[in-house]
Amino acid sequence: KQEVTQIPAALSVPEGENLVLNCSFTDSAIYNLQWFRQDPGKGLTSLLLIQSSQREQTSGRLNASLDKSSGRSTLYIAASQPGDSATYLCAVNSHNAGNMLTFGGGTRLMVKP
Amino acid sequence: GAGVSQTPSNKVTEKGKYVELRCDPISGHTALYWYRQSLGQGPEFLIYFQGTGAADDSGLPNDRFFAVRPEGSVSTLKIQRTERGDSAVYLCASSVTRSTDTQYFGPGTRLTVL
Repeated sequence: KQEVTQIPAALSVPEGENLVLNCSFTDSAIYNLQWFRQDPGKGLTSLLLIQSSQREQTSGRLNASLDKSSGRSTLYIAASQPGDSATYLCAVNSHNAGNMLTFGGGTRLMVKP
Repeated sequence: GAGVSQTPSNKVTEKGKYVELRCDPISGHTALYWYRQSLGQGPEFLIYFQGTGAADDSGLPNDRFFAVRPEGSVSTLKIQRTERGDSAVYLCASSVTRSTDTQYFGPGTRLTVL
């Protein structure tokens, strides 16, 4: 059974810092990995999707990497802003559970002005 | 274009009552999913529809939970004899064709069972 873990559970940084959020998964047989943002009381917004054959994806100040063999992904946020404050979730779509996303518990990010 | 919409946004009910939660996917998306998110946790899969049929309902916790998608568009999640442990945010998502496509999520319905 696929298990997804996100570390740290919470993170507080001053504005302008570069930061890295970590995601690990136990079963490397995946189709893809997706990073989401969730604001309080809101749904999920897709940030980046990395296919299993890819190593990284970039969108603006965000860069997500994938090391499938070691079961790890990182989300790099450059020059953080207060508006980046949210919960960040990673989710994997696995071969043995291909109809669902398996989510980590999320990282709650606070960027202080 | 419009995203995934869910109604109601909030639902408060009493233990033992029946509730229905509605999801309108993105137009043209054939795949639809329901997830449940408890406070402080990531969403957990409930059920996946491909068209009108439930292709995977392995995440439904018990037979009090049921979902339909009769015309391959709107879906309704139905919960009978609600329990306090059913309190959570119920999220709906849709994707173009396959479960491996990007899933787009709605804002969720917050269900509170008193």
